[in-house]
This record gives sequence, structure tokens and C-alpha cells, in this order.
Amino acid sequence: VQLLESGGGLVQPGGSLRLSCAASGFTFSSYAMSWVRQAPGKGLEWVSGVTTRGGRTYYADSVKGRFTISRDNSKNMVYLQMNSLRVEDTAVYYCAKSEGVPGTSYWYFDLWGRGILVTVSS
Amino acid sequence: SYELIQPPSVSVSPGQTARITCSGDALPKHYSYWYQQKAGQAPVLLIFKDNERPSGIPERFSGSSSGTTVTLTISGVQAEDETDYYCQSTDSSGNVVFGGGTKLTVL
Repeated sequence: VQLLESGGGLVQPGGSLRLSCAASGFTFSSYAMSWVRQAPGKGLEWVSGVTTRGGRTYYADSVKGRFTISRDNSKNMVYLQMNSLRVEDTAVYYCAKSEGVPGTSYWYFDLWGRGILVTVSS
Repeated sequence: SYELIQPPSVSVSPGQTARITCSGDALPKHYSYWYQQKAGQAPVLLIFKDNERPSGIPERFSGSSSGTTVTLTISGVQAEDETDYYCQSTDSSGNVVFGGGTKLTVL
């Protein structure tokens, strides 16, 4: 049972990056998924979530309109397309398996990936 | 925007009980969750739905709720418990919110 992120790296401000998360060991299509980030030396910040079939998506105000979450249940993958990146988007990005119902108070994360570093700098 | 407030740090002697609080106006109506994060590692779920413990989490970790404050209690603190702890809930829009985190120091 694991999640493995990829696609991180160094990008200039205003640039784009696409993160991927490969899931294995559980029935991927039965669970909502999310991305959570952590800036260097800072706390956790939820970024985005997607329901089991991708029909509903949720975003933090800090990324709304710039980031897009999606999933491909045939490949057991979840993605985060990040556009118009800012210096303050620099962080380790974690892929997280959700339990509960997104958009309600019964929504939390019981499996996390190791994280991938995204650095936005000129 | 909605905030969950945690103390930046809590100190406790080995074998004693540590209590880490998390305050938020919506907590009386919204579930709370707790995570432990060791340096360089991903967070691990400790408590869900205010006071339930996932399988594999030691019984010395427990959660409770009272009004606008929820509490993570660690009984019989061990040296390995010295790390960061985060509470989590949701705001009125259903979006996830994390507390700022608490660093537990075992003296």
C-alpha cells in the first residue's frame, strides 16, 4: 500500500509544473485523493482534493484558479497541474489518500506519499 | 479565513502526560483529526473523528473534545514521541484546514 509522487523540481516564477502520484495496494477508484504541501520549515497546508470519479474538485483559496487536480482511475494516478507558479508555492507536495466524504467535516487522510519538492525560483 | 490554533511548543518529562490543544470556532460541529510528523517524513494519522484511533496506533495516544477546543493526549510520553503534531478539521465550506503545528519536547 503506497503512494509515490513524481514530477517535482525547479521552475521559474510564472512557470508550470505537473505533479503525478501513483497509487498501489488499494482500490484506488474507491477513495477520494488530495494534495497537501509543506513549505520549508513550515506547517501543513491542504492544497486540493478530488472525489472518487473526479466529478468534484476542491481547492484552497491560495491556489484556486492556478492549480487543477485530476485523476485517472484506469491508471491509478492522481495529478496536480500547477500554473502561474509563485515563489510562495515552494514546498514539499504530498499526495494523500482520503477517508470520509470530501466537502464535509468527515474528511481526513490515512495514507501519505513521501512527498516531492517543488522549488519556484529565478 | 478559518484558523485552528495550536501552541507552538509543549514540553513534558518522560513518563508524564502531554496534552496538545487545538482551538477553532467550528470544532463543536466539525470533526477533528490529529497527525504526527517526524523530521523528513510524511505525516501519520493518529486520531480521527475526534477520538478514534486507527489500528496500529498505540493506546497512549487519545483525543478528546470540549467546546471549541480539542485535545491530543499522550500518556506515558516516550523519547520517540518528541516531534511535531498537527490538528486538522474543515471550515464552513468543507475545505480542509490544518493547525499551525505543535513541537513536543521530551525533557
